[in-house]
Amino acid sequence: ETGVTQSPTHLIKTRGQQVTLRCSSQSGHNTVSWYQQALGQGPQFIFQYYREEENGRGNFPPRFSGLQFPNYSSELNVNALELDDSALYLCASSLSTEYQETQYFGPGTRLLVL
Amino acid sequence: GQQLNQSPQSMFIQEGEDVSMNCTSSSIFNTWLWYKQDPGEGPVLLIALYKAGELTSNGRLTAQFGITRKDSFLNISASIPSDVGIYFCAGQLLMKTSYDKVIFGPGTSLSVIP
Repeated sequence: ETGVTQSPTHLIKTRGQQVTLRCSSQSGHNTVSWYQQALGQGPQFIFQYYREEENGRGNFPPRFSGLQFPNYSSELNVNALELDDSALYLCASSLSTEYQETQYFGPGTRLLVL
Repeated sequence: GQQLNQSPQSMFIQEGEDVSMNCTSSSIFNTWLWYKQDPGEGPVLLIALYKAGELTSNGRLTAQFGITRKDSFLNISASIPSDVGIYFCAGQLLMKTSYDKVIFGPGTSLSVIP
């Protein structure tokens, strides 16, 4: 186990709704990254939070937003859900240092948009 | 954008056989990572490589960071049924002044026939 937890494990929403996914990082980690993994594909980077600020963003529209809290846990919010948002959402926590940043993944939240 | 290619896409092997899989990129990375993902789970880190030419083992797994920094391979010796899963390579360009997102390959699906 990596010590990274995510909630909920599964979620069903309808098109146009909003969703919030949560991630608790591993103890001692200060960075959380979020990924979207469509069926049969590798994870795609959404964004990263470091010390409560967005620290980089992948090719995702602004309706994907996030937060990081003082305890380094994080939320991913998706507004105006679309059918293509159905995927496994993974968070990964890491300790960012000057030399390395190995990411450890949680089990994911599986989102189905109908 | 940056893309990784993994080969083979899938493989079926007999229990006890050795396995070799490859990852190539058009871009240079300074970190290569190999993850294994079981159905319904998040990716689990197997091996991390930080230096060009580095050869690292983790039990029956051996991985190498290519000299050109654009490729890596993973070998599994004496495969067992629990090796079944999807293996992802990931490249990371760790920079001191900006975030360093992780780019994942599309995965190699491994099936082990008892």
